[in-house]
Amino acid sequence: DAGVIQSPRHEVTEMGQEVTLRCKPISGHDYLFWYRQTMMRGLELLIYFNNNVPIDDSGMPEDRFSAKMPNASFSTLKIQPSEPRDSAVYFCASSPGTPNTGELFFGEGSRLTVL
Amino acid sequence: KNQVEQSPQSLIILEGKNCTLQCNYTVSPFSNLRWYKQDTGRGPVSLTIMTFSENTKSNGRYTATLDADTKQSSLHITASQLSDSASYICVVFHTGTASKLTFGTGTRLQVTL
Repeated sequence: DAGVIQSPRHEVTEMGQEVTLRCKPISGHDYLFWYRQTMMRGLELLIYFNNNVPIDDSGMPEDRFSAKMPNASFSTLKIQPSEPRDSAVYFCASSPGTPNTGELFFGEGSRLTVL
Repeated sequence: KNQVEQSPQSLIILEGKNCTLQCNYTVSPFSNLRWYKQDTGRGPVSLTIMTFSENTKSNGRYTATLDADTKQSSLHITASQLSDSASYICVVFHTGTASKLTFGTGTRLQVTL
C-alpha cells in the first residue's frame, strides 16, 4: 500500500497566484481530511469528506479556499488568490472509519510558501 | 472552549534515557485520545488511540496513560533512541454538536548522544 500521496511536496508562489494541492487517499478509505499546520497554531482541520461528499468545511478560512473530491481516489485543495499568510504545510489524511473511531493516515504534506 | 495543552514545549534527552510527555485537555464530552509522532518534514503517524475506559496502552517502547477524571494523559518513552527525535502530538476527539479532533501543538523531542 502506497499510503496517502500528496503533490506537490513543495510549492513556492507569489501572492495573488492560484495554488492547487492534490491528494490521493488510501484505496478503500471512505473519509478524507485536509489539514493545515503552522508553528503557531499546530494542525487545524480545514474540511473533510465522506464518500466524496463534503461533511464539514467550517475550518476553511475564507472564500479563497475551496476543496473538491470528484471521485474516491482524488481530491484537490485550491487557494485563489493566495496570500503570504497562507504559507503553511497542508496535509491530506484518509481514514477507513468515522472521525470518532477511525485511525488517520496522513500524507507527507505539501509545504506552501507564498511570497 | 475545547483545548489540548502539551508540556513541555521541547525536550532534550540523552540516548537511552526515559522521558514523559504530558497532555492536558478541556475537551468535553470526551470520546478518545490519540498520540501521534511526527518526524521532521513528514506527516504524523499514529502511536496509540485510547478510549474513555482505557488507562494504559503500549506500543513497543511507547506507553500512553489516560486519566479521564483529571483529563490528563502522558506518553512515556523508554530507553530512548536517536530515531525517537520528533514532535509528539496529543489529539482529543470530542462528540456533540461539533464532533471533531482537537490537536495539541506538540512536544518537540530531541534525543542526543
